Amino acid sequence: SQQGEEDPQALSIQEGENATMNCSYKTSINNLQWYRQNSGRGLVHLILIRSNEREKHSGRLRVTLDTSKKSSSLLITASRAADTASYFCAEYSGAGSYQLTFGKGTKLSVIP
Amino acid sequence: EAQVTQNPRYLITVTGKKLTVTCSQNMNHEYMSWYRQDPGLGLRQIYYSMNVEVTDKGDVPEGYKVSRKEKRNFPLILESPSPNQTSLYFCASSLFSLTGSEQYFGPGTRLTVT
Repeated sequence: SQQGEEDPQALSIQEGENATMNCSYKTSINNLQWYRQNSGRGLVHLILIRSNEREKHSGRLRVTLDTSKKSSSLLITASRAADTASYFCAEYSGAGSYQLTFGKGTKLSVIP
Repeated sequence: EAQVTQNPRYLITVTGKKLTVTCSQNMNHEYMSWYRQDPGLGLRQIYYSMNVEVTDKGDVPEGYKVSRKEKRNFPLILESPSPNQTSLYFCASSLFSLTGSEQYFGPGTRLTVT
């Protein structure tokens, strides 16, 4: 399976600003997931959005999904220094393929 | 505490010396998976398992073996490691669902093959 792509590859913002990361994926998905990784550590699940959903919220996180464009975006509002991490989207197609395929990630730096 | 554990966390070895990285989860998850993470390439799946005795290849299975004899354990075996297997390895687990579910990741194993 092919990896999706996050955009931008790196993003640097001031604390309090919003951060938007985009993800384009390749297959027809069953769901798309977003994960966070602090430097060199294990990934932590943030949000799962299903193909029949268009938007989902969790605290300061908002995820949108546009299946016609095969794209998703993750918005972090009122960012904090602790949000500094890499963010990955992962596509799950189901339909006989039980793989979760990750993109290459966006590295977010939030400057205090 | 619900968790995925991996051992060892760090390993330096030489080319050709067989090694095993263990992975264990205490959440009664059916699905377990191994990934490798390399700079600029993101995470790539090596193997996954949907339940005991059921495994399948991911995107980069060459040079690796797995087995799933117990539900909680999913070891990764490198029978003859080579320098291009130097990487950061993650084990993950989740409930198995045809519609997919969130994965829980271990802390990672940093492997260096000289």
